[in-house]
Amino acid sequence: EVQLVESGGGLVQPGRSLRLSCTTSGFTFGDYALSWVRQAPGKGLDWVGYIRSKAYGGTAEYAASVKGRFTISRDDSKSIAYLQMNSLKTEDTAVYYCTRDDASMLKYWGQGTLVTVSS
Amino acid sequence: DVMMTQSPLSLPVTLGQPASISCRSSQSLVHSDGNTYLNWFQQRPGQSPRRLIYKVSNRDSGVPDRFSGSGSGTDFTLKISRVEAEDFGVYYCMQGSHWPVTFGPGTKVDFK
Repeated sequence: EVQLVESGGGLVQPGRSLRLSCTTSGFTFGDYALSWVRQAPGKGLDWVGYIRSKAYGGTAEYAASVKGRFTISRDDSKSIAYLQMNSLKTEDTAVYYCTRDDASMLKYWGQGTLVTVSS
Repeated sequence: DVMMTQSPLSLPVTLGQPASISCRSSQSLVHSDGNTYLNWFQQRPGQSPRRLIYKVSNRDSGVPDRFSGSGSGTDFTLKISRVEAEDFGVYYCMQGSHWPVTFGPGTKVDFK
């Protein structure tokens, strides 16, 4: 069974950093691309970024709103993906979901982790 | 960026009746590889989103066959042939043909 479990969320002050983890199981992690999607309280879905598998270069794409502040990485040996978030803003407050592709994007989703950016 | 619009934004439905949600993109979603990366998601309150349809019309495993997707180019539709109680929630379309990936604003399906 494919499982994705996000962790690392919490309350952080504006301008500070936070790293989210996506711990996975049930599939060969290195074979798949992963995405992060967020959802502000009471709002819609907002794509954050994407990281390719190593077979496709392991490179990442980002939404304009986070480019230069957020970095997605992966550790294939541990089956974990990371979202490093720097220079956090109040508008980054959201539930952050880790997702995995299958035939197309965003097939499998984790339960999400809440990040609250507030002073 | 490709802008995704949905209509209606709120859809009151009657159990057992059909329902339809429209999704439009600001540019063609035909990818250079020939595929059209238009997906539909359902999100029930308090739950993570669930993908229902991928690449316009392919139903994900476990998704009831009362859900169907259609369309091409810039116009797409999600149809529910006969709405059941478990179908309430918010439905999103999403395009993955052009970076950045973008979502529609969501259509809230609730009951009359």
